[in-house]
Amino acid sequence: AQRVTQPEKLLSVFKGAPVELKCNYSYSGSPELFWYVQYSRQRLQLLLRHISRESIKGFTADLNKGETSFHLKKPFAQEEDSAMYYCALIGLTGGGNKLTFGTGTQLKVEL
Amino acid sequence: EPEVTQTPSHQVTQMGQEVILRCVPISNHLYFYWYRQILGQKVEFLVSFYNNEISEKSEIFDDQFSVERPDGSNFTLKIRSTKLEDSAMYFCASMERYEIAKNIQYFGAGTRLSVL
Repeated sequence: AQRVTQPEKLLSVFKGAPVELKCNYSYSGSPELFWYVQYSRQRLQLLLRHISRESIKGFTADLNKGETSFHLKKPFAQEEDSAMYYCALIGLTGGGNKLTFGTGTQLKVEL
Repeated sequence: EPEVTQTPSHQVTQMGQEVILRCVPISNHLYFYWYRQILGQKVEFLVSFYNNEISEKSEIFDDQFSVERPDGSNFTLKIRSTKLEDSAMYFCASMERYEIAKNIQYFGAGTRLSVL
């Protein structure tokens, strides 16, 4: 079975402060991890994939297989970062290509 | 930029009625998915579809659910006899053949289904 856990339902930070959205996963095989973002009244959009190892909109995420984590980080939060963030997993070892999502974290960036 | 389109944006139905949720995937995409999100809960996988057949389905996707690609553009989810617990946001997603190695799925804006 595959599972994604996002422990925080809401994270509130001030503009310019660092952001870390936590994500832990459970999967016995080789996973691929993603962060999706949903801005207000918009569709789910891919933000990051761990395989690409890129920085998008200043966000980065590193897969830590030892801790089974894929935390999303940004050094300086911007107001436009306020959104719902979902961590998701695809199981590459016989898991098909369905996405398993966490419950999401609402990020609120305050001025 | 091409988008996955879902209609209607909100569907209200009576318990026991049949509903069809419609999706138009991005035109050159070959892999199709339905997910749902009950209010306050996580987005859950329902079914994946490729080459005119179901590739995988979850335990949620019981005999009340069916999917179809009736023509070259639409991808539909039918719920035969709706129950109150089917009330949720339903998301369609699609993926390009050449993106399969990247596993990048593109999502529609969703259809909110309200069963009364």
